[in-house]
Amino acid sequence: ETGVTQTPRHLVMGMTNKKSLKCEQHLGHNAMYWYKQSAKKPLELMFVYNFKEQTENNSVPSRFSPECPNSSHLFLHLHTLQPEDSALYLCASSQEPAGMGSSYGYTFGSGTRLTVV
Amino acid sequence: RKEVEQDPGPFNVPEGATVAFNCTYSNSASQSFFWYRQDCRKEPKLLMSVYSSGNEDGRFTAQLNRASQYISLLIRDSKLSDSATYLCVVNLDDKIIFGKGTRLHILP
Repeated sequence: ETGVTQTPRHLVMGMTNKKSLKCEQHLGHNAMYWYKQSAKKPLELMFVYNFKEQTENNSVPSRFSPECPNSSHLFLHLHTLQPEDSALYLCASSQEPAGMGSSYGYTFGSGTRLTVV
Repeated sequence: RKEVEQDPGPFNVPEGATVAFNCTYSNSASQSFFWYRQDCRKEPKLLMSVYSSGNEDGRFTAQLNRASQYISLLIRDSKLSDSATYLCVVNLDDKIIFGKGTRLHILP
């Protein structure tokens, strides 16, 4: 399997639930990202991992907790979310870490459409 | 001024026509630039990088104007399948900024 794979594709969770989103890339890339896409808003960068190390946390609430066990896998653990957290969560990877003024683009997964009820 | 700004559209263009849209950015030190395409309810996909000298890929031409701080995307001989949202992306150091996108509808 190639590219960036995200699971699940759709997730409905209650505000008291705990769930995890999974992302896997088979491209040999060195950087992985979590983005949030809400309706009528630009993509918002949440977290950046370069060579498995978290290098950016864009003021994301602690109810979102990322984990990067190795360079191919990225998780986003969710707990006690709010209805306004409902959005499309996209994972992406890039050849070079973002801090190097990369001339490479990003490869996105298909996303997890999350609904918090 | 917003960091990356795009006209949200929609641009309604007849099939076969040429369409162009711009994206302005606020930080003159921005280093790399990209155009992404996003279909409805799908993930963004890289369309093309934008180089200082300009670049062309088939019917698509991207240009960078550093003096005026904008990038442009030109689509010639537009096809129905070109209907999508086109996202401008600007990279500065470790910051990656997406525009809100420009919606393009190609009309039969």
